[in-house]
Amino acid sequence: EAEVAQSPRYKITEKSQAVAFWCDPISGHATLYWYRQILGQGPELLVQFQDESVVDDSQLPKDRFSAERLKGVDSTLKIQPAELGDSAMYLCASSLAGGFPNTGELFFGEGSRLTVL
Amino acid sequence: GENVEQHPSTLSVQEGDSAVIKCTYSDSASNYFPWYKQELGKGPQLIIDIRSNVGEKKDQRIAVTLNKTAKHFSLHITETQPEDSAVYFCAAEGAQKLVFGQGTRLTINP
Repeated sequence: EAEVAQSPRYKITEKSQAVAFWCDPISGHATLYWYRQILGQGPELLVQFQDESVVDDSQLPKDRFSAERLKGVDSTLKIQPAELGDSAMYLCASSLAGGFPNTGELFFGEGSRLTVL
Repeated sequence: GENVEQHPSTLSVQEGDSAVIKCTYSDSASNYFPWYKQELGKGPQLIIDIRSNVGEKKDQRIAVTLNKTAKHFSLHITETQPEDSAVYFCAAEGAQKLVFGQGTRLTINP
């Protein structure tokens, strides 16, 4: 069964350091999402890609966060510098539907849990 | 933008009983309402969804109802089993953007 791959599963870092997360979506899924999930809350969209293009990054703190999907396949989410409030689970998801007429089923990876000390 | 409220935040039921989780949304233009189940250490997984032109949808022990006028929708799980223990998230989509609720931690007691 095809899965969304994410790494690392766990990352502990000190504030002001840089961190990066990697995601490989299900083959053939053109739409890729990065979500942030704070403990006890629902996932919040950070950025959405359609192929290599950013469709929505309105909730991405662009002063410290960046995301890319250069060849329209795998993606990297970077935080620099990390702050204490960035501690969360970072979830990657992919979908076939591409957002029209609806998002359709999102397939999530197991996530990357970040702890900032 | 869309705002989704989910209740209760925690729910404990006896095995074999039914569980109901409720959500309200704010954007009357929202037209797609999925439910996701998240088990410990894993990402959310879609369990059922409903579109705004349908009032109810069932899949074995799981059903979802939608009241567009009141802008609320609910998840119903019947004959609960231990493997139903997880965190459940509702979501609403308007303007091609999915907004999740805060989640409900469901515990099935043997």
